[in-house]
Amino acid sequence: DQQVKQNSPSLSVQEGRISILNCDYTNSMFDYFLWYKKYPAEGPTFLISISSIKDKNEDGRFTVFLNKSAKHLSLHIVPSQPGDSAVYFCAASEASGANNLFFGTGTRLTVIP
Amino acid sequence: NAGVTQTPKFQVLKTGQSMTLQCAQDMNHEYMSWYRQDPGMGLRLIHYSVGAGITDQGEVPNGYNVSRSTTEDFPLRLLSAAPSQTSVYFCASRGTSGYTDTQYFGPGTRLTVL
Repeated sequence: DQQVKQNSPSLSVQEGRISILNCDYTNSMFDYFLWYKKYPAEGPTFLISISSIKDKNEDGRFTVFLNKSAKHLSLHIVPSQPGDSAVYFCAASEASGANNLFFGTGTRLTVIP
Repeated sequence: NAGVTQTPKFQVLKTGQSMTLQCAQDMNHEYMSWYRQDPGMGLRLIHYSVGAGITDQGEVPNGYNVSRSTTEDFPLRLLSAAPSQTSVYFCASRGTSGYTDTQYFGPGTRLTVL
């Protein structure tokens, strides 16, 4: 059973606009959340994370929002750039150093120039 | 630093054959892990290791063996390959210092079992 879900397999956005990628989870024990970005023929690379004690974390153009009551997080990219075109994975664990990391199925973002 | 390296990049096996996927890291990370990525399934944890001599099972361990004799290397063995093991395999490592630890992934091995 998928504990981390990304219900949108793909998203297309115009360059300069905002990209919003969504992620839902079912396990209330999840305490630490991450977003990874993946280009074709490469491994995922870490993008941004958030712990459950926060509801927002920013890093440049990337902001992650966490709504624990709704078991929902989102990644905002503003402004979107063509180089952001990639597959984005949401992941969750029960703690920052937990051994098991559970991934969503990914959302393919295409930023149109 | 080379980071996390994986070999081979591609491999085709026949059902019943055995092989070892290699993974190495040069960051002196204690934690290493193997994931498989299948269409519509995301990445799933196969096995992990928290240090040399210590390994444990992840979410989908059946059909795979691991060992960790050094900090740098974490090979994944398929003893008798099955078509259900056709997948892309990623090795990852991470340090353990600080609260915001992250995993560094290798480029992946694409395995096809006929």
